[in-house]
Amino acid sequence: DQQVKQNSPSLSVQEGRISILNCDYTNSMFDYFLWYKKYPAEGPTFLISISSIKDKNEDGRFTVFLNKSAKHLSLHIVPSQPGDSAVYFCAASEEEYGNKLVFGAGTILRVKS
Amino acid sequence: DGGITQSPKYLFRKEGQNVTLSCEQNLNHDAMYWYRQDPGQGLRLIYYSQIVNDFQKGDIAEGYSVSREKKESFPLTVTSAQKNPTAFYLCASSKAGTLYSNQPQHFGDGTRLSIL
Repeated sequence: DQQVKQNSPSLSVQEGRISILNCDYTNSMFDYFLWYKKYPAEGPTFLISISSIKDKNEDGRFTVFLNKSAKHLSLHIVPSQPGDSAVYFCAASEEEYGNKLVFGAGTILRVKS
Repeated sequence: DGGITQSPKYLFRKEGQNVTLSCEQNLNHDAMYWYRQDPGQGLRLIYYSQIVNDFQKGDIAEGYSVSREKKESFPLTVTSAQKNPTAFYLCASSKAGTLYSNQPQHFGDGTRLSIL
């Protein structure tokens, strides 16, 4: 049973536009959420996180929104750049020290120039 | 530069052999983790360790073993009991989290294990 779901396997966006990546979860005990970016044959790179006590966190071009009632989070990238083309993973944790992450299957983002 | 080093990058194993994947970090992180990634799937947790000489099973620990004798090292052994070992293996580390202050995990570049 997938506790973290990324229902869009891929997304294609024009350079300069907004990219919106979505993630749904089923475990209401999750209290910490993260987004990672991954290039082929490399390890994931941490992008941004949000605690369940917040509904928005922003870092430069990246903003994560959390809707706890809908068990949904999203990552907005504005403006999108060709270098943003990668696989994006959503992850969540329910333990108070955030040790055990549960990952979604990933969304491939392609930013066209 | 501080980081996480996984070696080798590619590894081949014959049927019935045990093989050990190396993971070293110089970030002074307390916690370390091993994940497995299969095509089209997210990362799944194999084992994790919050402090030296202590580790816990993750979601898919069967057929794997680990040790944590030093803070900076967390080797993973894929045993012959693991029936489908071909995968991309990722090691991660993080600072110890505290209540209301979770710490993100940082990853190495992975080891791709294939069966000959």
